[in-house]
Amino acid sequence: AQKITQTQPGMFVQEKEAVTLDCTYDTSDPSYGLFWYKQPSSGEMIFLIYQGSYDQQNATEGRYSLNFQKARKSANLVISASQLGDSAMYFCAMSDNFNKFYFGSGTKLNVKP
Amino acid sequence: DARVTQTPRHKVTEMGQEVTMRCQPILGHNTVFWYRQTMMQGLELLAYFRNRAPLDDSGMPKDRFSAEMPDATLATLKIQPSEPRDSAVYFCASGLPSTGGDTEAFFGQGTRLTVV
Repeated sequence: AQKITQTQPGMFVQEKEAVTLDCTYDTSDPSYGLFWYKQPSSGEMIFLIYQGSYDQQNATEGRYSLNFQKARKSANLVISASQLGDSAMYFCAMSDNFNKFYFGSGTKLNVKP
Repeated sequence: DARVTQTPRHKVTEMGQEVTMRCQPILGHNTVFWYRQTMMQGLELLAYFRNRAPLDDSGMPKDRFSAEMPDATLATLKIQPSEPRDSAVYFCASGLPSTGGDTEAFFGQGTRLTVV
């Protein structure tokens, strides 16, 4: 069964605007972690942000914030003030109780000047 | 600057040859993951280790793939014999479980394998 779903294969955003990348997940574990990674054209996987299932507040890291809605099982990534360098593939991931790491299919973000 | 190191970065080999990919996890990390990334399948978990012991390698074709951790500073992924369909980017990631139980994974730069 699909654990992580990213429904947006590709998105465009204007430079300096905010953009939300969607992610929903499926687990029955009470404890899990949610992650976002960025993969630029160079191919490396860059960790962006982490949210624990028991965290009360939404995680933030600079221009990145994670909109965590536990009841809806969603963990959307919000990028504020988009920059040209944000153009990349973005992957949502989840680590479950067994510490397996599941990835979504990714969203390709293009930031337009 | 702690990072996961993978070698080689690129490998082109002929079908039927053995391929060995190496990974040096971040010092102190006790969990190591191997992923394969292709356009068609995305990121697939092949295997992962905790404290050098394999926890799950169900994502790996057993007949030709093998993964080991000879010691805490080295993880290897071998393909023998290699086939063109093995062409992909292979990522190694390491992590340390948090007190909450989940594990953040830090990725190496990947090995781009082409089997001709």
